[in-house]
Amino acid sequence: AQSVSQHNHHVILSEAASLELGCNYSYGGTVNLFWYVQYPGQHLQLLLKYFSGDPLVKGIKGFEAEFIKSKFSFNLRKPSVQWSDTAEYFCAVTDGGATNKLIFGTGTLLAVQP
Amino acid sequence: GAVVSQHPSRVICKSGTSVKIECRSLDFQATTMFWYRQFPKKSLMLMATSNEGSKATYEQGVEKDKFLINHASLTLSTLTVTSAHPEDSSFYICSARGRGGGELFFGEGSRLTVL
Repeated sequence: AQSVSQHNHHVILSEAASLELGCNYSYGGTVNLFWYVQYPGQHLQLLLKYFSGDPLVKGIKGFEAEFIKSKFSFNLRKPSVQWSDTAEYFCAVTDGGATNKLIFGTGTLLAVQP
Repeated sequence: GAVVSQHPSRVICKSGTSVKIECRSLDFQATTMFWYRQFPKKSLMLMATSNEGSKATYEQGVEKDKFLINHASLTLSTLTVTSAHPEDSSFYICSARGRGGGELFFGEGSRLTVL
């Protein structure tokens, strides 16, 4: 079965610091990869996604992620975080199969201090 | 983006009663809907996948007789928690996808508290 692991459960950064959140998945076949964000009291929102092509994916709000197939990783990065980036971040993967079920990692709670 | 709405956003019920949660796609036809359960400080756990007009497919370990899912139309899926117990208290989230696959859109979630 597929699984997704996020290594950091809580991350605290100061504004302007750089961010990297780890995500590893276990699935040997073709995968589609996603990062979602959940701001306090709001819906899950899609930050970015990778289906194919350039492994460096740019998303909204200055976020990017790099798919490294050999490492089964899809880490999320942002060069300079803002207080408004405080949220919970979820990595997710589908296998591109018929059901396209989305399996989530455990999430990383990011707190950015002003 | 597309809008998915859940109702109610919060519900409190007595143990032994049944509770229905609705998930609606407001501006697109949702051929597939997914129901997730989110435990405190844990990830979203996929409970079941429902395709319009057919029976839901449940994930391993999810009791289909306890969590009844109906996807009767292209804009509505319902989750009924039958004979609820305190351990069913959780945050339930639906998501929907339109024809041809593509992005999943999430509802705002429904917090169920069983007393």
